[in-house]
Amino acid sequence: EVQLVESGGGLVQPGGSLRLSCAASGFTFSDHYMDWVRQAPGKGLEWVGRSRNKANSYTTEYAASVKDRFTISRDDSKNSLYLQMNSLKTEDTAVYYCARTARLYSGSYYLFNWGQGTLVTVSS
Amino acid sequence: DIQLTQSPSFLSASLGDRVTITCRASQGISSYLAWYQQKPGKAPKLLIYAASTLQSGVPSRFSGSGSGTEFTLTISSLQPEDFAAYYCQQVNSYPLTFGGGTKVEIK
Repeated sequence: EVQLVESGGGLVQPGGSLRLSCAASGFTFSDHYMDWVRQAPGKGLEWVGRSRNKANSYTTEYAASVKDRFTISRDDSKNSLYLQMNSLKTEDTAVYYCARTARLYSGSYYLFNWGQGTLVTVSS
Repeated sequence: DIQLTQSPSFLSASLGDRVTITCRASQGISSYLAWYQQKPGKAPKLLIYAASTLQSGVPSRFSGSGSGTEFTLTISSLQPEDFAAYYCQQVNSYPLTFGGGTKVEIK
């Protein structure tokens, strides 16, 4: 069974930093692209970014709203995905989800499994 | 960026009703669209991918259709467990984007 467990959320002041982790199990983590998605309180879903797998050089993609402030990394030996968040703003307050993607024959990737999320609150 | 516009944003319906939610893309995305269901306090759950393929384990009362710029999610007969929020997402190009969501409530 695929399991994704996020951790590391909490209260941080504006301008501060936080590192989220996502522990994966139940699948071959190293084969998969992994995404981060967030949801501000009472709002909709916002895609944050993606980490490709080793076969694709661990390259990353980001939403414009977090580019140059957030960094996605992974450690395949620990089956873990990370989100380093710097220069945090109040508008980054959200539940952050990690998601496992799977590739279809068409070459497109969909978010098949999601963790339960971890809450990040940016406030003074 | 590709914008996804969902309508309606709110829907009140009764048990057994047929419900249709629309997602319009600001430019063509072929069939690179997914639908998710989210219940309060829970993570989103993938219902449909590639516009019309039902994810394993999802009841057959859910169906998806469309391609290009217009897509629909249909629930053929609304059940108590279907009252939730629904989101579309395009995976055609970066940045990936979601629609604003549709909240389905009990009439």
